[in-house]
Amino acid sequence: AQSVTQPDIHITVSEGASLELRCNYSYGATPYLFWYVQSPGQGLQLLLKYFSGDTLVQGIKGFEAEFKRSQSSFNLRKPSVHWSDAAEYFCAVAMYNTDKLIFGTGTRLQVFP
Amino acid sequence: DVKVTQSSRYLVKRTGEKVFLECVQDMDHENMFWYRQDPGLGLRLIYFSYDVKMKEKGDIPEGYSVSREKKERFSLILESASTNQTSMYLCATGTSGRRELFFGEGSRLTVL
Repeated sequence: AQSVTQPDIHITVSEGASLELRCNYSYGATPYLFWYVQSPGQGLQLLLKYFSGDTLVQGIKGFEAEFKRSQSSFNLRKPSVHWSDAAEYFCAVAMYNTDKLIFGTGTRLQVFP
Repeated sequence: DVKVTQSSRYLVKRTGEKVFLECVQDMDHENMFWYRQDPGLGLRLIYFSYDVKMKEKGDIPEGYSVSREKKERFSLILESASTNQTSMYLCATGTSGRRELFFGEGSRLTVL
């Protein structure tokens, strides 16, 4: 069965530091890949997505993610974290033949001043 | 902007009560979804609808039913609420074939 793994439950960084959130998927073919962010008390907002083409994708709020087929990974990065980035981040995948998304368990990001 | 509105942000119900959670979207999206969000478990799909009156079970449909009588409205029904259904419920919508989902703000249900 298809699955998404986010190995880090909780990450703490200092404001201004770089960030990388990990995501690995299990699927035979290349899926459609997404990163969503959820601020406290809010729904999920799409940060970026990968369907095909350039494996480095840019998103909103200064985030980027890189698809690595050989590692079945789609890690999210930001060069300099801001206090407002504190939130929960979800990686998600969709197979080519369905509109349903499968989500990881999320990574909670805490930012210290 | 896409607007996905969930009728209730917070609900408190008693065990055995019937619960309706409603979701309305204004973007004419074909697809609508109900997810359940629990700490450490992420989002799990309860039901999915790809057209009016059409529905498909997700990963955890037990104890839930859905209704989609109009394109813009998708309801989640708990026929007899139980304490293990205490959770955050998220509605999402999307265009068929695009896979990008737009989420409501969530409905936090507490069953006592």
